[in-house]
Amino acid sequence: SQTIHQWPATLVQPVGSPLSLECTVEGTSNPNLYWYRQAAGRGLQLLFYSVGIGQISSEVPQNLSASRPQDRQFILSSKKLLLSDSGFYLCAWSVNFWTSGISYEQYFGPGTRLTVT
Amino acid sequence: KNEVEQSPQNLTAQEGEFITINCSYSVGISALHWLQQHPGGGIVSLFMLSSGKKKHGRLIATINIQEKHSSLHITASHPRDSAVYICAVRGGGATNKLIFGTGTLLAVQP
Repeated sequence: SQTIHQWPATLVQPVGSPLSLECTVEGTSNPNLYWYRQAAGRGLQLLFYSVGIGQISSEVPQNLSASRPQDRQFILSSKKLLLSDSGFYLCAWSVNFWTSGISYEQYFGPGTRLTVT
Repeated sequence: KNEVEQSPQNLTAQEGEFITINCSYSVGISALHWLQQHPGGGIVSLFMLSSGKKKHGRLIATINIQEKHSSLHITASHPRDSAVYICAVRGGGATNKLIFGTGTLLAVQP
């Protein structure tokens, strides 16, 4: 069966410090991978998605970047955190299959709660 | 106006009540998801549907593609159903990107 891991679970970082959040998926190959953020009192927002190694698409301009160094590894980074980067970060995966009109479930990781102080 | 609107934003019910959460969307979609987010933040997918109706235990999800509307029903609600329920829609294409509603906070009191 497939599982998705995220770490750390919680993180408190000062403004201006770097960030690295990691997400790994087990039990599947060549998944689509996604990073979402949920700011306090707001809905989930897609930040990045990846359809393959080294292929990253950004949905919103921001202080963050993403990388996919391995097939089942997705990393969210920042060189200098801002207060507005605080939130709950979720990684998700889905089957990667180029067939139009067919939709696939997304499976979410446990999330990382980031507080920037 | 958000592309995905949910109502109500907050809902308090007594144990045993029948609950309905609504979702309206303004974009063309290939599928609609109902998700449940627990107080700790973890998200579980409840349903993915593109037409008609699905049932799982006490949960029922319906969608009307023509009216761009979906409902999530909970029968015989229980305090353990207390969570945020999120509607999300997916457009076409293989990227599988989701657009989320802001969620409905449900509290079921014993």
